[in-house]
Amino acid sequence: EADIYQTPRYLVIGTGKKITLECSQTMGHDKMYWYQQDPGMELHLIHYSYGVNSTEKGDLSSESTVSRIRTEHFPLTLESARPSHTSQYLCASTPLGGRGIQYFGAGTRLSVL
Amino acid sequence: GDSVTQMEGPVTLSEEAFLTINCTYTATGYPSLFWYVQYPGEGLQLLLKATKADDKGSNKGFEATYRKETTSFHLEKGSVQVSDSAVYFCALSEVDSNYQLIWGAGTKLIIKP
Repeated sequence: EADIYQTPRYLVIGTGKKITLECSQTMGHDKMYWYQQDPGMELHLIHYSYGVNSTEKGDLSSESTVSRIRTEHFPLTLESARPSHTSQYLCASTPLGGRGIQYFGAGTRLSVL
Repeated sequence: GDSVTQMEGPVTLSEEAFLTINCTYTATGYPSLFWYVQYPGEGLQLLLKATKADDKGSNKGFEATYRKETTSFHLEKGSVQVSDSAVYFCALSEVDSNYQLIWGAGTKLIIKP
């Protein structure tokens, strides 16, 4: 079972602030994903990466950016947070040959005031 | 394009009742099918999967059978417990989309004691 960690778990921040949501996994998985989810609702893929220096935008347009400088680390950054960014953000990773098996972190619940 | 349709929730049952959550899919090829579960305040975790027609996935008393003729993957459990209360997501992946998951909208299950 993969270990995938997200920090912080909860974040309340004011409009206009820059924030970075952290995601790290310890299993050496190449594929990583960021989803946006209103709690208990549908998942929307906002970014994904197939390896170091590979990042792509997902199906849902997002004002966030991501980077993948190290295999284990896939941070998501919002340059200027707005109330519309209030949501839960879930990070996931897939092992080699996983074919749809994704391991999820516990999520970051973001509130922008 | 590929899609997954789940029955709308919430589904409310009494403890020890029989559970069925319907899931149907549309796919161009031969997808793998998955059920993920999200307990309150947590990320998602894989519940079960099936990779080809007539396969049955099972875990924790839950079962689902890959039915190609009806393009379905319904989730069942013979006797639910309060601890099964969660949101359940059906999903598919295909080689053509590099095994990215296509998600259903999720079905919230509430079990009353």
